[in-house]
Amino acid sequence: AQKITQTQPGMFVQEKEAVTLDCTYDTSDQSYGLFWYKQPSSGEMIFLIYQGSYDEQNATEGRYSLNFQKARKSANLVISASQLGDSAMYFCAMRETSGSRLTFGEGTQLTVNP
Amino acid sequence: EAGVAQSPRYKIIEKRQSVAFWCNPISGHATLYWYQQILGQGPKLLIQFQNNGVVDDSQLPKDRFSAERLKGVDSTLKIQPAKLEDSAVYLCASSLGQGVGYEQYFGPGTRLTVT
Repeated sequence: AQKITQTQPGMFVQEKEAVTLDCTYDTSDQSYGLFWYKQPSSGEMIFLIYQGSYDEQNATEGRYSLNFQKARKSANLVISASQLGDSAMYFCAMRETSGSRLTFGEGTQLTVNP
Repeated sequence: EAGVAQSPRYKIIEKRQSVAFWCNPISGHATLYWYQQILGQGPKLLIQFQNNGVVDDSQLPKDRFSAERLKGVDSTLKIQPAKLEDSAVYLCASSLGQGVGYEQYFGPGTRLTVT
């Protein structure tokens, strides 16, 4: 069964605007972690932000924030004040305690327009 | 600190040939991962090491893929013989530990083309 679902194959945003990238997940574990990674055209995976299932506050890292809605099993990434350099592929991933494998979604290609 | 190093960056081989990839993790990172990323998809874990022991190789096609991590530091991933469907980017990652919240640091990847 698909563990991580990213329903937006591509997203477009104007420079300086905010954008939300969707991620839903499926797990029966009570303890798990959610990650977002950025993959530019160069290919390297860059860690952006982490949210633990027991964290009461939404995670934030600079212009990145994670909108965590546990009951809905969603972990959307919000990028504020988009920059041209934000154009990249974005992956949502989950790690369950029952197995330590990091499972990735299919990704969302974000394009920031000037 | 130095990041995860991988070589080669690119490799083109013919089907049925063999190929090997090398990875040097971040110093002090006990956990090492090899992922396969087919074009247009998210990375898929092939094998995970904790020091020099295998933690998870359930998605490794063991009839043709093998990996080792001697002395708990560097690792090599080998494909023998290669098939057309092995064309992908092979990513190596490392982390301090295996727990839920440990961030994985990725290398630049090796892009393999099998013709």
